[in-house]
Amino acid sequence: AQSVTQLDSQVPVFEEAPVELRCNYSSSVSVYLFWYVQYPNQGLQLLLKYLSGSTLVKGINGFEAEFNKSQTSFHLRKPSVHISDTAEYFCAVILNTGNQFYFGTGTSLTVIP
Amino acid sequence: DAGITQSPRYKITETGRQVTLMCHQTWSHSYMFWYRQDLGHGLRLIYYSAAADITDKGEVPDGYVVSRSKTENFPLTLESATRSQTSVYFCASNHNEQFFGPGTRLTVL
Repeated sequence: AQSVTQLDSQVPVFEEAPVELRCNYSSSVSVYLFWYVQYPNQGLQLLLKYLSGSTLVKGINGFEAEFNKSQTSFHLRKPSVHISDTAEYFCAVILNTGNQFYFGTGTSLTVIP
Repeated sequence: DAGITQSPRYKITETGRQVTLMCHQTWSHSYMFWYRQDLGHGLRLIYYSAAADITDKGEVPDGYVVSRSKTENFPLTLESATRSQTSVYFCASNHNEQFFGPGTRLTVL
C-alpha cells in the first residue's frame, strides 16, 4: 500500500528565511511525486512534480524539491520565503502505473513579517 | 472557461436532506475524483471515475453516491446529509497531474 507522511503539520518561519517542508512516502513500486499549494479558500494548484530525470526539480514561485530514492523522501525547499507563501502545502504520490493520487495530511506554512 | 468548475461554491443544508454537488471539466480527461478536506485529515478520496459509466469507491464512500453519464460531468450526491458530512469538497481530474476545482463548502445543520 502507498502512503505519504508530512512530518510537520505547522511550520512558522520569518520572512526572507529559508524553509524546508518534509515529505516521506512508502511504496513497493516506482512513483511519481508532486507538491501542491492551497491558498486560503482556494483549490489546490501544482507547485512542482517529479516524473523522471534530474532528482532536483524546480517549480513555481521559487520552490524546489529533491527526490531521494534511498530515503524515500521528496522535501520541498525555498531559500527565502515571502508573506505571500503563507498557505497549506500538500505532498502527493501516484504509482507510475496508476491514476490514483495519495496525499499527505498537509503542512501549514505561516510566514511571519 | 477552460478547467474544472464546481457548483455551488457554498451550501447550507439540514440533516436528512439530499444534496448534489456538481463538477464539470472542459478537458475531456478520463479520470475524475471527489475528495473531502477536513482539518487533521488532509484530502480523503470519496469516489473516482475512470471513464463515463465507470466509478469506484475511494477511502470514505459511505453516505455518498456518484454518477458519470458524460465524460465532462461527475456529480456527487449526499442522499441523506449528516452533520459529519460538513466539509469542503474538491473535484479533480487527471492528465499527468491532478487538476482541482475551487471547492464547495458544505455545512449540514
